[in-house]
Amino acid sequence: DTEVTQTPKHLVMGMTNKKSLKCEQHMGHRAMYWYKQKAKKPPELMFVYSYEKLSINESVPSRFSPECPNSSLLNLHLHALQPEDSALYLCASSQIMSGRVDGDTQYFGPGTRLTVL
Amino acid sequence: QQQVKQSPQSLIVQKGGISIINCAYENTAFDYFPWYQQFPGKGPALLIAIRPDVSEKKEGRFTISFNKSAKQFSLHIMDSQPGDSATYFCAASVTRSSGSARQLTFGSGTQLTVLP
Repeated sequence: DTEVTQTPKHLVMGMTNKKSLKCEQHMGHRAMYWYKQKAKKPPELMFVYSYEKLSINESVPSRFSPECPNSSLLNLHLHALQPEDSALYLCASSQIMSGRVDGDTQYFGPGTRLTVL
Repeated sequence: QQQVKQSPQSLIVQKGGISIINCAYENTAFDYFPWYQQFPGKGPALLIAIRPDVSEKKEGRFTISFNKSAKQFSLHIMDSQPGDSATYFCAASVTRSSGSARQLTFGSGTQLTVLP
């Protein structure tokens, strides 16, 4: 099973709202990622969690707040977003240093389509 | 040095034809090169991947060719089908220090259209 699930599929929010995106995987992966993807562009890395600890923050504005409650779950808390934050938000997971180069493949979820009004 | 350059930006192929997408990189530390396929409104899905010690890898109609000396790799889709119409991203990553997750560097993407 190589499934990463994300909820909700679609989210519309105003600039003053607080909302959360959720990601879940049951593959035993110890790395989880948040990406932002604009139309016709590649995914852009936002955050990386390794062993439930934030290991990479790609200078993301503080209105995006990640959380990794356990090894299977990843949340992205949203507050005071701007219309330019509208995008597809992707979650991914992978093993870490599995001993095989191709064992660290990242598996992506279907994404949450976020619209900020 | 972290860039991966991908071409063409868009590609139109007749059904049954061969689709070829090219990528080039500069960072010789990259040691893993996956290709992802993405349909509209969906997340990227791993299609096929290769290591730099292998010159070619084939899975069904999909083949990666890898030229280490030229720092280039390409995706060939044989007998292209309308269902292959999607956006394709090449990527590259490097083994990090122990306990660290890999980061993918993506190419800019190629929008493939296969005409029936």
